[in-house]
Amino acid sequence: GENVEQHPSTLSVQEGDSAVIKCTYSDSASNYFPWYKQELGKRPQLIIDIRSNVGEKKDQRIAVTLNKTAKHFSLHITETQPEDSAVYFCASYYGSGNTGKLIFGQGTTLQVKP
Amino acid sequence: DSGVTQTPKHLITATGQRVTLRCSPRSGDLSVYWYQQSLDQGLQFLIQYYNGEERAKGNILERFSAQQFPDLHSELNLSSLELGDSALYFCASSPRTSGAYEQYFGPGTRLTVT
Repeated sequence: GENVEQHPSTLSVQEGDSAVIKCTYSDSASNYFPWYKQELGKRPQLIIDIRSNVGEKKDQRIAVTLNKTAKHFSLHITETQPEDSAVYFCASYYGSGNTGKLIFGQGTTLQVKP
Repeated sequence: DSGVTQTPKHLITATGQRVTLRCSPRSGDLSVYWYQQSLDQGLQFLIQYYNGEERAKGNILERFSAQQFPDLHSELNLSSLELGDSALYFCASSPRTSGAYEQYFGPGTRLTVT
């Protein structure tokens, strides 16, 4: 069935260090992998995404890598800042055309200590 | 601000009651998705509508139903409410272009069942 595993569940880093969150998906037909940041009580906010025909994508301090063979994808945040503290969710999109759904990982609580 | 609106922000009701949650997608978006976020279950996909038509379904309970109207706003109806239905309910919308999978979330409705 459709499943996304996310690790670790919590991550604590010092300001300026890098943070890495990893996800594994189950269905090889999945073709789109977004990452969302959610602050307490607020909406999930799309921060970066990658499609299955690309291996890596970067946007300033954040990057996402995808290994289709292993069905793994990862979020990398460099030079972390206290405002990066939030819950991060990976997701995998199942569908095509205008029909589909996102299956989310369980979330990673990132704490950046000043 | 994602451009997706949801009302009400908070809802407190008793077990056995029925409530309706409302969502307006971003201007021009035809797809609306509903998600439930509870503490122990993470973000769970409920249902998707595209231009008024149901397109994808997740583990949505039979007590829950949804529809999308001609003006593209959507409503999620929850009936015979139980304590376990207490959660944050998010809707999201995505661009009309086929193959544009990115989803933008609204601010959510917090439902408390007492």
